[in-house]
Amino acid sequence: AQKVTQAQTEISVVEKEDVTLDCVYETRDTTYYLFWYKQPPSGELVFLIRRNSFDEQNEISGRYSWNFQKSTSSFNFTITASQVVDSAVYFCALSEDTGRRALTFGSGTRLQVQP
Amino acid sequence: DAGITQSPRHKVTETGTPVTLRCHQTENHRYMYWYRQDPGHGLRLIHYSYGVKDTDKGEVSDGYSVSRSKTEDFLLTLESATSSQTSVYFCAISESRRLNTGELFFGEGSRLTVL
Repeated sequence: AQKVTQAQTEISVVEKEDVTLDCVYETRDTTYYLFWYKQPPSGELVFLIRRNSFDEQNEISGRYSWNFQKSTSSFNFTITASQVVDSAVYFCALSEDTGRRALTFGSGTRLQVQP
Repeated sequence: DAGITQSPRHKVTETGTPVTLRCHQTENHRYMYWYRQDPGHGLRLIHYSYGVKDTDKGEVSDGYSVSRSKTEDFLLTLESATSSQTSVYFCAISESRRLNTGELFFGEGSRLTVL
């Protein structure tokens, strides 16, 4: 069975600090995709990034960066120079290489960025 | 933005009453999903559909049933609501390309309170 673990339940930082959200996954599939979603206080789920299991290159998008390491089954998310607008719950998720194509989610990390 | 509409967005009901949540999509996607979101659990899959009249159970399907009579509509029914079903329910859809990359598009959520 697949599993996604986000051990950090809640993180609080002061604006402009860097913060890393951890994600560890378990799967027996050789082909899979990893995702990060953001859920701001308004409640919608916003897609941030998708990474496939064959591409371990790190990715940077503005202040966001993602570090994918198959050796440690981790897909960590770093926000550089955090801003109050980054305050949200962040979910890491893992796709299944099965017919149902569902996502398995971690329990989420609540990030509070204080001004 | 993916065209997904959930209704109702908010509902308060009493224990033992039936409740139906509706998910409507305008994207003609084959796959549709119902997740529930609870603190400490992230999002958990209730039921999913891979076509008209084709549905199957997820990890937390007890007490729920679904129906899909048209491509665009996926209904979630609580036959006899219980307080443990108080939650936020998200509908999601997925593209049906052959090389599925697993990304889900989510509706805005339906907050259900069972008293």
